[in-house]
Amino acid sequence: DTGVSQDPRHKITKRGQNVTFRCDPISEHNRLYWYRQTLGQGPEFLTYFQNEAQLEKSRLLSDRFSAERPKGSFSTLEIQRTEQGDSAMYLCASSNEQETYEQYFGPGTRLTVT
Amino acid sequence: AQSVTQPDIHITVSEGASLELRCNYSYGATPYLFWYVQSPGQGLQLLLKYFSGDTLVQGIKGFEAEFKRSQSSFNLRKPSVHWSDAAEYFCAVEPWASGTYKYIFGTGTRLKVLA
Repeated sequence: DTGVSQDPRHKITKRGQNVTFRCDPISEHNRLYWYRQTLGQGPEFLTYFQNEAQLEKSRLLSDRFSAERPKGSFSTLEIQRTEQGDSAMYLCASSNEQETYEQYFGPGTRLTVT
Repeated sequence: AQSVTQPDIHITVSEGASLELRCNYSYGATPYLFWYVQSPGQGLQLLLKYFSGDTLVQGIKGFEAEFKRSQSSFNLRKPSVHWSDAAEYFCAVEPWASGTYKYIFGTGTRLKVLA
């Protein structure tokens, strides 16, 4: 069990560019979550997958955001036409059906939009 | 509205002193409750959790928390703080009665430890 991993750990991009983040959950975990954490705030839920199905999306997830989990393993979060307000830490978490209510978090990807 | 409140944004304690971090929630039913710790630039590490049963739960690193249904609270405590405990602490709830599995986090309490 290597834990949840995220790549990259840091990303600096210019406004208007597209960025993509990757999350690799713990191998036997079928549930995967994305959260966003801005400075001085707690993490806020963005979206949730069970296997490859995206079952819930927050209203925070605007049309510029898209998340996928094509084979029910790793997930990607893409932000198109980035804005300065997208600067945040993007956290991924995973859980399994036996421990549904306990989520294991990755180290996060810190996005800075200049 | 459903919410999680951590009323203390910053707390400073001396090393060796006791600590209590407050967390209150507002939900119709008792949710599942968690405390996480986050060191600078790092992800979240689970300290402890409450699902049901004994209302005093023990966690890692010498932390404990007490669930009080009448006060809708889940306060985190440690009898003697170490300098390495300096970090940000988040209370989270999973409102299982809503049928979702997402966490709702408080805004966090930043702990500073004086030598």
